[in-house]
Amino acid sequence: AQRVTQPEKLLSVFKGAPVELKCNYSYSGSPELFWYVQYSRQRLQLLLRHISRESIKGFTADLNKGETSFHLKKPFAQEEDSAMYYCAPRDGNYGGSQGNLIFGKGTKLSVKP
Amino acid sequence: EAQVTQNPRYLITVTGKKLTVTCSQNMNHEYMSWYRQDPGLGLRQIYYSMNVEVTDKGDVPEGYKVSRKEKRNFPLILESPSPNQTSLYFCASSLGTADQPQHFGDGTRLSIL
Repeated sequence: AQRVTQPEKLLSVFKGAPVELKCNYSYSGSPELFWYVQYSRQRLQLLLRHISRESIKGFTADLNKGETSFHLKKPFAQEEDSAMYYCAPRDGNYGGSQGNLIFGKGTKLSVKP
Repeated sequence: EAQVTQNPRYLITVTGKKLTVTCSQNMNHEYMSWYRQDPGLGLRQIYYSMNVEVTDKGDVPEGYKVSRKEKRNFPLILESPSPNQTSLYFCASSLGTADQPQHFGDGTRLSIL
């Protein structure tokens, strides 16, 4: 079964500290991988996707196919980074579920001053 | 402006009274999906649709119905709402291939008394 795991419900760090939000996935094929962010009382929005290999707001994510992980990292956390973060693999297999998107349970990041 | 529009944004109603939450997108997206968001449980998929007249169950479809008669609309129907369906609901859409990010609506907060 396709599954995505974000082991930490809550991650609390001080401003300026490094941040790593963990994501592990279990997929039968080769999913595309995304991170979405939800700031307080706002809609979810795309933070970054693996295929772009970009850095958004200082965040990067490295795909490790051997460990089936897609951890999100930032070297120096800012208070405005406080939000819910969702890891989301998207099914790349052909067939009825191609393109379906499943979310992890999310990690709430709290950056303290 | 490209957007996903959900209506209503807020609704308080009573057990058993049928309701429909509408979702409309103006981006000609093939893929649409409904999620519910509950504290500690993250985003759980209710139903998704890969294209017109093609719908499939997500992780928590019980008590919900959907239809996809037109490409732009994907209404969520609660035939006989119950208090355990009190939640925040999000609609999302995207192009149908796995490398495409989702666009989310602003959410609908339903309270079933």
